[in-house]
Amino acid sequence: AQSVTQLDSQVPVFEEAPVELRCNYSSSVSVYLFWYVQYPNQGLQLLLKYLSGSTLVKGINGFEAEFNKSQTSFHLRKPSVHISDTAEYFCAVSPYNNNDMRFGAGTRLTVKP
Amino acid sequence: KAGVTQTPRYLIKTRGQQVTLSCSPISGHRSVSWYQQTPGQGLQFLFEYFSETQRNKGNFPGRFSGRQFSNSRSEMNVSTLELGDSALYLCASSLAGGQRETQYFGPGTRLLVL
Repeated sequence: AQSVTQLDSQVPVFEEAPVELRCNYSSSVSVYLFWYVQYPNQGLQLLLKYLSGSTLVKGINGFEAEFNKSQTSFHLRKPSVHISDTAEYFCAVSPYNNNDMRFGAGTRLTVKP
Repeated sequence: KAGVTQTPRYLIKTRGQQVTLSCSPISGHRSVSWYQQTPGQGLQFLFEYFSETQRNKGNFPGRFSGRQFSNSRSEMNVSTLELGDSALYLCASSLAGGQRETQYFGPGTRLLVL
């Protein structure tokens, strides 16, 4: 089975500062990797996903993530955050062979002015 | 295109009752997945339906069931409600349901069990 660990439950950061949200996973099979964002009272929105190929994945809203197979990590980064990036961020993995997507516990990103 | 819609948005029930939640996927999407989100357990996969058939199932008791209609709309039913069933229930749709596809989530139905 797969599991996902998001290393920080809360990340406060000032506007225009860079941010990194950390995600580690474990799995006995190959997986696809995802980052989702959830704004208050809304469903999840896909930020980016790693399926194969280049380990640096660019997503929406200026976010990017790097897949590191040796460290089983998929950290999310943004060079300069905005107030509007305040939300909950979820890392998720899904094995190649079925649709059982496993989510991390989430990281609450708070961007302060 | 309209997004994924879920009804109702909010629901209050008492222990022992049953509840039915509805999800209308994006037009043309044939796969619908359901998730439960709670503060304690986080986001957990319930099940996925494709072409009116349950294709994948998470680790939930039999009280949780679902179905999908020929127009791809899906319903989720929870019988004999327990306090711990209080949660945000999210559904997501995609074209054919493969992991390589993007899932589009609805706003969720917030269920409170008293």
